[in-house]
Amino acid sequence: EVQLLESGGGLVQPGGSLRLSCAASGFTFDSYAMSWVRQAPGKGLEWVSTISGSGGSTFYADSVKGRFTISRDYSKNTLYLQINSLRADDTAIYYCAKTSGGALTPVDCWGQGTLVTVSS
Amino acid sequence: QTVVTQEPSFSVSPGGTVTLTCGLSSGSVSTSYNPSWYQQTPGQAPRTLIYSTNTRSSGVPDRFSGSILGNKAALTITGAQADDESDYYCVLYMGSGIWVFGGGTKLTVV
Repeated sequence: EVQLLESGGGLVQPGGSLRLSCAASGFTFDSYAMSWVRQAPGKGLEWVSTISGSGGSTFYADSVKGRFTISRDYSKNTLYLQINSLRADDTAIYYCAKTSGGALTPVDCWGQGTLVTVSS
Repeated sequence: QTVVTQEPSFSVSPGGTVTLTCGLSSGSVSTSYNPSWYQQTPGQAPRTLIYSTNTRSSGVPDRFSGSILGNKAALTITGAQADDESDYYCVLYMGSGIWVFGGGTKLTVV
């Protein structure tokens, strides 16, 4: 069974940084691209970033490009999202998600999410 | 910038059939956009229903089906049940590794 467990969320001041983690299990980690999707309070889903199975390709939404960095550790089967220069509109639940295959394939499994709150 | 469009809300009677759509503000949706559909109830993580146009995710009942109807992607729910009352989101692949979600449809079963 696929399991995705996010951690690292919390309250951070504007301009601050956080690193979100997602521990993955139940599938061959390096065979699947992984993504982050976020949801602001009361709003819809927003795709944030995807990393290929090999880690050689990364993609970002324009809203986060240059501030967020996606990465993965194969020894720990863990996906990361480094979030810098946080703004109030980055406040959201951040979901870790497994894709159905390569980097250009859609999400097919979701974690439970971790809440990031940006406020002074 | 291209916007992915969904009906803001829809209602269906118990046992009825409803088709939700996912379109583009400019242009037509085809299978190359890899349309996928997700269900979300309040306070819960999304659940994948359909990916890559018409592939049903594991454990999803065959009451849910995906297709291309005209110039839009479509999610059809047959035999609607009370617990189908949820928000439904589609996502489209825009190229260059970029995905865009629609704004979601709030489905009421009444």
